[in-house]
Amino acid sequence: EAGVAQSPRYKIIEKRQSVAFWCNPISGHATLYWYQQILGQGPKLLIQFQNNGVVDDSQLPKDRFSAERLKGVDSTLKIQPAKLEDSAVYLCASSQTRDVLTQYFGPGTRLTVL
Amino acid sequence: AQSVAQPEDQVNVAEGNPLTVKCTYSVSGNPYLFWYVQYPNRGLQFLLKYITGDNLVKGSYGFEAEFNKSQTSFHLKKPSALVSDSALYFCAVRDDTGGFKTIFGAGTRLFVKA
Repeated sequence: EAGVAQSPRYKIIEKRQSVAFWCNPISGHATLYWYQQILGQGPKLLIQFQNNGVVDDSQLPKDRFSAERLKGVDSTLKIQPAKLEDSAVYLCASSQTRDVLTQYFGPGTRLTVL
Repeated sequence: AQSVAQPEDQVNVAEGNPLTVKCTYSVSGNPYLFWYVQYPNRGLQFLLKYITGDNLVKGSYGFEAEFNKSQTSFHLKKPSALVSDSALYFCAVRDDTGGFKTIFGAGTRLFVKA
């Protein structure tokens, strides 16, 4: 079974530029999560989808971050414009309906904002 | 509000010795508790979870964790540490009151010396 796929693995941008990350969850997993992991901290949930609907986006900075999961499969997270403090690893995870509590994580995208 | 604390930034143990990585939590309702491990440049990998029932939970790679309701703790243990266990370990909690968010601790780095 293929795992959660993310791209790109690394991205370096200047502040005020925009960036997008892509995630393809494990096949059949209805729930998809985006986390931000700042160096030295645990992952912080940005947004959670159930199929293509948003379940929780309370910690998503909506003035600059957006995410979509149009067909209930893969997802894109965008930052526009980026700030220095957005430098982090962005992790995507997914879980299946019959075991929604167990999350499977992708390798992450390391973003550096200069 | 949910919270989780990992009081040790780093745990050092000799190979073959038992290891313990500590975690305490705070939730409104009953907790769902998790341990994940993160190897360098990789996403988090699920180790084990406590939902209900037996307080001692067994997981992957010989790890186990003990749920202690009175002390609100969920410490990760292994009887005999391996050098390959060296990694970053995250405790996480979610409550059963209907919230969807999983809260992660800041992580504990485990170093196993040969």
